[in-house]
Amino acid sequence: GNSVTQMEGPVTLSEEAFLTINCTYTATGYPSLFWYVQYPGEGLQLLLKATKADDKGSNKGFEATYRKETTSFHLEKGSVQVSDSAVYFCALRDKISSGSARQLTFGSGTQLTVLP
Amino acid sequence: DSGVTQTPKHLITATGQRVTLRCSPRSGDLSVYWYQQSLDQGLQFLIQYYNGEERAKGNILERFSAQQFPDLHSELNLSSLELGDSALYFCASSPGDTTTNEKLFFGSGTQLSVL
Repeated sequence: GNSVTQMEGPVTLSEEAFLTINCTYTATGYPSLFWYVQYPGEGLQLLLKATKADDKGSNKGFEATYRKETTSFHLEKGSVQVSDSAVYFCALRDKISSGSARQLTFGSGTQLTVLP
Repeated sequence: DSGVTQTPKHLITATGQRVTLRCSPRSGDLSVYWYQQSLDQGLQFLIQYYNGEERAKGNILERFSAQQFPDLHSELNLSSLELGDSALYFCASSPGDTTTNEKLFFGSGTQLSVL
C-alpha cells in the first residue's frame, strides 16, 4: 500500500536559518506529492504540490522537488521566519485507479518552531 | 478562512456515549472528507462522500458512521466511545471527487475528548 514517512520532529530553528524537512514515500503507481501546513488552531492548507517526476513545487519561499529515483519530496526553505512555525505534512495521492476516488495519504507531520 | 465550517469546536464526553460532528463544505463543493488526527496515528482518512453518496472508505471503525445530506453538509457519528477515540477530527471539501489533482480545503477541526 501507499505510505509516507517524514522526519520526526519537533524541529526548532532560529529565524533566518535553513530548513529541510525530509519526506520519502512508497507507492505502487506514480503519485502526485503534496506538502500541507497546519498553523496553530487551524485546519491543513495546501502549501505546494508536484504531479510528476522532477517537478518542483514552490510557494511562500518553500520548495520541494519530486525525486522519483529516491522516492523523496523534501521540503526546503532558505530563510525561515517566526510565522513559519506550524506542523508540516507530506502527502501523496496515487494515480493508479483512473476514474476512481484516490485519497490523500499523509505522513505523521513535523512540528516546526522558529525562534526570534 | 477555508470556507469549511465544523461544529462544535470542542466536545467533551464520557466513554460509551455517542456524539455527532457536523461539517459544512465550501459553497459549491460536492465532496466531503473526514480525517482523524491523533498523536499516535497521525492523520488518518476515514471516509469520503460525493454528492450524497459514499465514495471511498478508509480506516473507519464500525462504531463510526457518516452521511452527507441533500444540502451537502455532512455528519460524522461516533458511538460507544472509547478513550482512544479522543482526537482532532477534520472535515475537508473539494469541488469534485478527487479523480483530478484538485486540492482539499480543511476545516479547523473538532477536538473530541473522551473521559
